[in-house]
Amino acid sequence: GAGVSQSPSNKVTEKGKDVELRCDPISGHTALYWYRQSLGQGLEFLIYFQGNSAPDKSGLPSDRFSAERTGGSVSTLTIQRTQQEDSAVYLCASSIRGLRGVPYEQYFGPGTRLTVT
Amino acid sequence: DQQVKQNSPSLSVQEGRISILNCDYTNSMFDYFLWYKKYPAEGPTFLISISSIKDKNEDGRFTVFLNKSAKHLSLHIVPSQPGDSAVYFCAASTSGTYKYIFGTGTRLKVLA
Repeated sequence: GAGVSQSPSNKVTEKGKDVELRCDPISGHTALYWYRQSLGQGLEFLIYFQGNSAPDKSGLPSDRFSAERTGGSVSTLTIQRTQQEDSAVYLCASSIRGLRGVPYEQYFGPGTRLTVT
Repeated sequence: DQQVKQNSPSLSVQEGRISILNCDYTNSMFDYFLWYKKYPAEGPTFLISISSIKDKNEDGRFTVFLNKSAKHLSLHIVPSQPGDSAVYFCAASTSGTYKYIFGTGTRLKVLA
């Protein structure tokens, strides 16, 4: 079956412009995560969606960042008025949710490399 | 404050020998740990996990050891192969939550 897909794979944008990054999770996975990996850093949690519950946005670094997930499937991460420090690889992951909240492994997409010039 | 730490940014090992990648954590509430492998231009892929009720989990050439008292886990790869060359991330989570906290990764290079 298809894995997690992300588009675009690369995005170069000018400072101040808005960008949209897309994630298609694995069918049937109710949990969807966005992470950011800056150069030389680990994976930084941004936002989490689980089913129809309100998302956990606690990792979003500023109000320029927002995300939505339509129909419990596809998700879009939007960065408004991009800054150079937003340059990073943005990774999306999906997983199933175990009984009693047991964590399950996440399946990652290939990421979108964002470069803000 | 980094709750999951991988203090070795890189490691080189000869083909056929053992690779040992280490990970330390500070949050005693973590009870589930995972290792991921990442090749360039790809997303991380799940490798192996361990629950805190165990101290060892083995899958083929990969074994993860958990020392709860030391808040330390390690990934052993035996024998190491050139295709194992990648960045390895450890991650930790707590049952009943959904957040995974990742370390900064260790770049493993297996020399042929």
